[in-house]
Amino acid sequence: GAGVSQTPSNKVTEKGKYVELRCDPISGHTALYWYRQSLGQGPEFLIYFQGTGAADDSGLPNDRFFAVRPEGSVSTLKIQRTERGDSAVYLCASSLLLNTEAFFGQGTRLTVV
Amino acid sequence: AQSVSQHNHHVILSEAASLELGCNYSYGGTVNLFWYVQYPGQHLQLLLKYFSGDPLVKGIKGFEAEFIKSKFSFNLRKPSVQWSDTAEYFCAVKGASNYQLIWGAGTKLIIKP
Repeated sequence: GAGVSQTPSNKVTEKGKYVELRCDPISGHTALYWYRQSLGQGPEFLIYFQGTGAADDSGLPNDRFFAVRPEGSVSTLKIQRTERGDSAVYLCASSLLLNTEAFFGQGTRLTVV
Repeated sequence: AQSVSQHNHHVILSEAASLELGCNYSYGGTVNLFWYVQYPGQHLQLLLKYFSGDPLVKGIKGFEAEFIKSKFSFNLRKPSVQWSDTAEYFCAVKGASNYQLIWGAGTKLIIKP
């Protein structure tokens, strides 16, 4: 596609439910990043993929968060047993290679009620 | 700890005024520096970046930034702002051999027509 696409754009879920957030990177981009942006703050790093493997998942806040990229393209961020504190905008970015410009999607706004 | 500080959370200017947004960082080692912009309802876009060389870098839409290593600063400037510059501006830093962007909290810029 022309840019990074994230779906859904908005997600409201009840506390304790499971959610999946999807990211379609720019075609051919090998690197994919997930960030989380809480209200009034800048984005915070969650996880980085190079190809299919998670090269660095040190930013995931706890074991309720997990992300996959099985074919080296689309990625899914999965959150189990959601909590109100998980409410944020989840941003996905991709880049052609490590250390080249990262292009961001519009984000998924997750609200846990 | 690695961090980025943006001095102003909100800035209001009139059209044609000059702009300077401050950014200071704390990071050991060689850094790459970025300014991103987020226009209302849109995704984050790269304004400009510094990797090496001339510390005065020029970006899109007439923006420039100066890297002052001794001050750990990377301030964004524009000599004459336009109403269309209304947006949120984020400063970010990463290590030269790293990929995790560390972000400031952002500055909301409002230009009065």
